[in-house]
Amino acid sequence: QVQLVESGGGLVKPGGSLRLSCAASGFTFSDYYMNWIRQTPGRGLEWVSYIGSSGTTMYYADSVKGRFTISRDNAKNSLFLQMNSLRAEDTAVYYCARNIVDYFDYWGQGTLVTVSS
Amino acid sequence: DIQMTQSPSSLSASVGDRVTITCRASQSISSYLNWYQQKPGKAPKLLIYAASSLQSGVPSRFSGSGSETDFTLTISSLQPEDFATYYCQQSYSTPITFGQGTRLEIK
Repeated sequence: QVQLVESGGGLVKPGGSLRLSCAASGFTFSDYYMNWIRQTPGRGLEWVSYIGSSGTTMYYADSVKGRFTISRDNAKNSLFLQMNSLRAEDTAVYYCARNIVDYFDYWGQGTLVTVSS
Repeated sequence: DIQMTQSPSSLSASVGDRVTITCRASQSISSYLNWYQQKPGKAPKLLIYAASSLQSGVPSRFSGSGSETDFTLTISSLQPEDFATYYCQQSYSTPITFGQGTRLEIK
């Protein structure tokens, strides 16, 4: 069955960096667009970034543009999010989610990122 | 950005009740509207896509309707496992945006 498993979250100081990973299984990873979506109690669900199936097309929310980079390794069925210049407002649970047509049909369990001094 | 506004923000209901949640978009999004259910500590789960199409495996008591700017999610007869938070999401344009959520509680 489809599984998405995030890792790499943790506590980081403001201005620091973190790299999230999402391991995919149970489907042909290279056929699907993928996304990162984050959630906080205060701001709810916020789409962060999208990457096309081949990895050549990426989109970002304005709030992370220039600081975050999405990438994928189709040979290793893995999705990544490199997060630099982290701010307190980046504190959230980060989910990877599979994109089919215009909706997210599978989500991982999430990984918590806390930005605090 | 397209703003998605859900109402009500919270709702108390009983098992067996019929419940309707509304989602309004700040501009027309055709039928590019999806609904998700989220339980505490879990990821959101897709219920309805393209405004009215039921995701595979989702009980038929869930239904969606609407187009352009106004959409509804209806649960025809609430079951104990339906008490959760519900979110709408537009996929008409980037950035993709979500509603703030509707928390459905047991009365």
